[in-house]
Amino acid sequence: KAGVTQTPRYLIKTRGQQVTLSCSPISGHRSVSWYQQTPGQGLQFLFEYFSETQRNKGNFPGRFSGRQFSNSRSEMNVSTLELGDSALYLCASSLFQGRVTGELFFGEGSRLTVL
Amino acid sequence: KNQVEQSPQSLIILEGKNCTLQCNYTVSPFSNLRWYKQDTGRGPVSLTIMTFSENTKSNGRYTATLDADTKQSSLHITASQLSDSASYICVVSDDNAGNMLTFGGGTRLMVKP
Repeated sequence: KAGVTQTPRYLIKTRGQQVTLSCSPISGHRSVSWYQQTPGQGLQFLFEYFSETQRNKGNFPGRFSGRQFSNSRSEMNVSTLELGDSALYLCASSLFQGRVTGELFFGEGSRLTVL
Repeated sequence: KNQVEQSPQSLIILEGKNCTLQCNYTVSPFSNLRWYKQDTGRGPVSLTIMTFSENTKSNGRYTATLDADTKQSSLHITASQLSDSASYICVVSDDNAGNMLTFGGGTRLMVKP
């Protein structure tokens, strides 16, 4: 069974540009969530999608957005990149089980460097 | 505000020795507590998940404990191996928040030969 696939694995952008990251969940998983990991702040929740609907959103500016497609694949977009957006962006998928969430399976992440 | 605190921040032990990592949380209403292992540059991998009613759960050489009254958890690693060198992250889930998890800062473990 294939795991969570994130693309691209590494990318370099300059300030002011925008970036789109992609996540393909484990087959059958309908919930996809995104997290940002930096050395200073650790792991922080960005947003979660289920059945193409945003279920929860973390405390990030509106420059961070996402969406989920009918096949459960998800993308996140960061516009007007800032140096502080340099981070490892992790995607995780799970079987949605109502309020009690199932086990989370993480992808290997997309390492974004903003110059 | 939901918070998860881990200690120590870093730890160095010799191969074959045991160690215990600590996690304190203030997350309400509590749903479950998870421990993840993250190798450098890789995504986290789940070790254990515990709900309110569970106070011990094992996964091979990893044993997690949970005291929901004191809001403390520990992860005990037995007979450490070089491959245990990684960051260990404690994660707590709010009962109403789906996968809007609260993460601890992690404990960076280095196992030396």
